Amino acid sequence: GQQLNQSPQSMFIQEGEDVSMNCTSSSIFNTWLWYKQDPGEGPVLLIALYKAGELTSNGRLTAQFGITRKDSFLNISASIPSDVGIYFCAGQPAGNNRKLIWGLGTSLAVNP
Amino acid sequence: KAGVTQTPRYLIKTRGQQVTLSCSPISGHRSVSWYQQTPGQGLQFLFEYFSETQRNKGNFPGRFSGRQFSNSRSEMNVSTLELGDSALYLCASSPDSSYNSPLHFGNGTRLTVT
Repeated sequence: GQQLNQSPQSMFIQEGEDVSMNCTSSSIFNTWLWYKQDPGEGPVLLIALYKAGELTSNGRLTAQFGITRKDSFLNISASIPSDVGIYFCAGQPAGNNRKLIWGLGTSLAVNP
Repeated sequence: KAGVTQTPRYLIKTRGQQVTLSCSPISGHRSVSWYQQTPGQGLQFLFEYFSETQRNKGNFPGRFSGRQFSNSRSEMNVSTLELGDSALYLCASSPDSSYNSPLHFGNGTRLTVT
C-alpha cells in the first residue's frame, strides 16, 4: 500500500530535549495530520493542518504544512516522559477523499 | 462523551474461517472509517461509510467487506481468513465526511489468524 516517508524511524532522547520529525510525499495533499499512538490504544489526533504554510501549535507541539504541500514536520519542545509513544503523520489527498495515507511512524523514547 | 468502541478487543481465528468486527462511533458521528494496521505496512485504509453508504474503498480484496447501520454503528467482515490478515483493525469516526472533520479512533480489534 501507499505510504509517506516518515523520519526518523526512532529516537531516544533525554528528558527536556527538543524533538523534530518529518514526513514527505511525492504527491500533493490537502490536509496533514499528526497522531500519537500509545501501546494497546488507537491513534490520538495531535494537530491538524489544512493550508499550505500553516503553522499550528498544541501546547509543546508545533507542526507545519509545507509550502509545496508535499511535506510536514512536527516539533516537540522540552520533552517529558509521557511523550513516549509512536507518532504518525497522515496526509489526505486532494478531492475530498477521506482515504488517509500514513507514515510508518516515529518511535520516541524519553530517558528521565 | 463516550469514545469509539470496538468489539471484541482480541480474536483468534483459523485460516479459512470468517470474522465480524463491530464499531460503535461517538454519539452524533455519522462517518465511520476502517483501517488495518500491521508493523510492515502501517495503517492502510479499508473503507469509509457515511449514512449507511460506502463512500470510499481501499485496495483490499473482496474478502473484506463492511456495512453501516441506521444508528451509524458499523461492522466489518473478513471471509476466508488468511495468515496475512493478522493485524490490528482500527475503526475511526467523525461528525461528517468533509475533509476537515478529523478522525477519532477506537482502540482496535487485534485479530490473530493461525
